[in-house]
Amino acid sequence: EVQLVESGGGLVKPGGSLRLSCAASGFTFSSYTMIWVRQAPGKGLEWVSSISSSSSYIYYADSVKGRFTISRDDANNSLYLQMNSLRAEDTAVYYCARVQDLAGLDSWGQGTLVTVSS
Amino acid sequence: DIQMTQSPSTLSASVGDRVTITCGASQSISSWLAWYQQKPGKAPKLLIYKASLLESGVPSRFSGSGSGTEFTLTISSLQPDDFATYYCQQYYTYSWTFGQGTKVEIK
Repeated sequence: EVQLVESGGGLVKPGGSLRLSCAASGFTFSSYTMIWVRQAPGKGLEWVSSISSSSSYIYYADSVKGRFTISRDDANNSLYLQMNSLRAEDTAVYYCARVQDLAGLDSWGQGTLVTVSS
Repeated sequence: DIQMTQSPSTLSASVGDRVTITCGASQSISSWLAWYQQKPGKAPKLLIYKASLLESGVPSRFSGSGSGTEFTLTISSLQPDDFATYYCQQYYTYSWTFGQGTKVEIK
């Protein structure tokens, strides 16, 4: 069974940093593009960043470019999101998801809440 | 960036109704469109991919159609479990843009 489990969320002050993790199991993690999606309270879904297999291609939304860094550790089946210079508007539930080639996001984690507030 | 626009934003319907949600893209995305269902406090769930292909395990009352810039999600006979928010998403480009969502409420 495919499982994605996020961790690392919490309360952080504006300008602070946080590192999110996503532990994957039940599939060959190294073969898949992975993605972070966030959802602000009461709002819709927003793509944040994606990383291809072998980390060959990395992309960021304009809203986080230069502040967030996505990475992966295929040996430990883990995906990461390093978030620096956090702003109030980064407050959201952050989901990691698996990209099924040509078929959308077929597996999602349960999400981890990041709250940026003084 | 490609913009995705869904309509309506909210839809009130009864059990058994046929429901249609539309999604428009600001430029052609061929058939690279997915639909997701999200319930409160839960992660989204993939329903349809490549505009019209049903994800494994999804009931056949869900269907998708369209290509280019206009797409629809149809629920042929609304069931109690279907009251949720639905999102379209393009994956023609790397930016994976979502529509703003359509909330299906009980009438």
